Amino acid sequence: RKEVEQDPGPFNVPEGATVAFNCTYSNSASQSFFWYRQDCRKEPKLLMSVYSSGNEDGRFTAQLNRASQYISLLIRDSKLSDSATYLCVVSSYNQGGKLIFGQGTELSVKP
Amino acid sequence: DTAVSQTPKYLVTQMGNDKSIKCEQNLGHDTMYWYKQDSKKFLKIMFSYNNKELIINETVPNRFSPKSPDKAHLNLHINSLELGDSAVYFCASSRDSASYEQYFGPGTRLTVT
Repeated sequence: RKEVEQDPGPFNVPEGATVAFNCTYSNSASQSFFWYRQDCRKEPKLLMSVYSSGNEDGRFTAQLNRASQYISLLIRDSKLSDSATYLCVVSSYNQGGKLIFGQGTELSVKP
Repeated sequence: DTAVSQTPKYLVTQMGNDKSIKCEQNLGHDTMYWYKQDSKKFLKIMFSYNNKELIINETVPNRFSPKSPDKAHLNLHINSLELGDSAVYFCASSRDSASYEQYFGPGTRLTVT
């Protein structure tokens, strides 16, 4: 079983749609969680951290459920510029703090 | 100014050759990393250095040898290249080894023929 699992998609949505991505992780000792964004043929960039209380940054909302070992990302009012691959990332002290990346979920927003 | 830079951006070479990829960061960070992203898009850590000392060394063939001459540079040398080494190699840096926000370089697309 992969340490971090995501639906690879692609998710094809119209502009203005709301889209949700899910991610599960297998290491119960994981204590830090993130969403990174990777544009086609570019480097990954941190989108947002994920906290147990949930957090929001503009049109983006991230949620964490430690009991279910589940992380989500909600994008409201999708823009064409949101088209990218969204990477779920997990880290834990018992792995030396290294980041474990999911395969990524590809999003394509169409006009 | 580019925060994390890598050279070359593209590298095409034949099996059996030896090649190096260079990485430099101007962020003043203490920790640097090498990642490999394969054709299925999985991004996996290979090595991490903190202040020139190796702190993470994943299960990577010993044909791969990182070198950090100073904390702003982390180079990757690959001996006896194989077809399976074809991938995108990303360098990254973070403020320190406890900092989870990592800044990635643009990647080096390695193709072994």
